Amino acid sequence: DQQVKQNSPSLSVQEGRISILNCDYTNSMFDYFLWYKKYPAEGPTFLISISSIKDKNEDGRFTVFLNKSAKHLSLHIVPSQPGDSAVYFCAASEFSNQGGKLIFGQGTELSVKP
Amino acid sequence: DTEVTQTPKHLVMGMTNKKSLKCEQHMGHRAMYWYKQKAKKPPELMFVYSYEKLSINESVPSRFSPECPNSSLLNLHLHALQPEDSALYLCASSQVGGASETGELFFGEGSRLTVL
Repeated sequence: DQQVKQNSPSLSVQEGRISILNCDYTNSMFDYFLWYKKYPAEGPTFLISISSIKDKNEDGRFTVFLNKSAKHLSLHIVPSQPGDSAVYFCAASEFSNQGGKLIFGQGTELSVKP
Repeated sequence: DTEVTQTPKHLVMGMTNKKSLKCEQHMGHRAMYWYKQKAKKPPELMFVYSYEKLSINESVPSRFSPECPNSSLLNLHLHALQPEDSALYLCASSQVGGASETGELFFGEGSRLTVL
């Protein structure tokens, strides 16, 4: 039972255009959502997060939107650059004093073409 | 210092060998994690340590044995592994907290394990 789903395994976008990566979740107890970027043979790198009490968080070219009623979040990258080409993982956290248990989606491979 | 350092970067071992993966962080984080990632798959949680105590074990086989000697170090002892255990093993650390924390985990670059 996948609690975090990224239904698009890959996405190809032209440089300068908007990239939209989508993520759905099933567990309403998740209280933080995060996006990680991963290059081959490296560990995931944190990109941006959003608390469940917000519906939007922006950091430079990256914006994450959260729709709690639909249990859906999306990552917008504007404008997309070739260096953004990587695998993007959506993750959800139910944080507690035990330490955060981060559940990852399957990932979406973004390719930004010059 | 915002790094999580993992050693070795690459490890090849036979099914009868005993080896260890090591992880170190100096960010003052009190939660540390082991994740396993196979090719084209998302990272899967194996273990969580909180305040140097094992708090979550995701039903990992006993041939994987975690150890947290102190708040900066996390080890993963490997014994009698199978070829299907070949994967990228990722260590991560974070703050431990309630809903006010961001939940961000800092990952190391991983140890690429091959079991022959």
